[in-house]
Amino acid sequence: DAGVIQSPRHEVTEMGQEVTLRCKPISGHDYLFWYRQTMMRGLELLIYFNNNVPIDDSGMPEDRFSAKMPNASFSTLKIQPSEPRDSAVYFCASSPRTDAGYTFGSGTRLTVV
Amino acid sequence: AQSVTQPDIHITVSEGASLELRCNYSYGATPYLFWYVQSPGQGLQLLLKYFSGDTLVQGIKGFEAEFKRSQSSFNLRKPSVHWSDAAEYFCAVSSLAAAGNKLTFGGGTRVLVKP
Repeated sequence: DAGVIQSPRHEVTEMGQEVTLRCKPISGHDYLFWYRQTMMRGLELLIYFNNNVPIDDSGMPEDRFSAKMPNASFSTLKIQPSEPRDSAVYFCASSPRTDAGYTFGSGTRLTVV
Repeated sequence: AQSVTQPDIHITVSEGASLELRCNYSYGATPYLFWYVQSPGQGLQLLLKYFSGDTLVQGIKGFEAEFKRSQSSFNLRKPSVHWSDAAEYFCAVSSLAAAGNKLTFGGGTRVLVKP
């Protein structure tokens, strides 16, 4: 298996632009998580899905953030409009069940200028 | 609410020396405990996990961790570090009772390895 695949690896965009981050989880994993990592706040859970259904989005910072999972093999995290404070590394992770731990993707480094 | 504390933000160790990273958790239910490693520019990789049974668990890359319920700790150890072990290490906790398999991460410990 190729693991969790995220794209793009790096994204530089101007403030106010829409940004879309993509994730392909491991086949057969029922859970998908989006995390944000910054120096100041560490790893923050933004949202997670179970069987393609959003379960907890309490970590999504503002209405500018949205996430979808239209099928079991694809998820997106969208920021519209983007702001400089959104600059961070965004990770997607998937898991087959409660006791398995997560498999993380390599992350997308987002820079908003 | 569950929480994880990694008291050491940075640790510097000489190559070949032993390493111990501390992790303390606060959790009401029986915890599932994990250690992850993050190399620069990479995602997090699972080193080892504990759910039940033997309190000393072995992981990849020669790491082991010991669960001590009385101390609410899950410290990570390696007898002899290699330069390639320089990375950031994260302890995490979850449980069967945790809604949706959510992991709570500690703040991480950055390990520097001196030649």
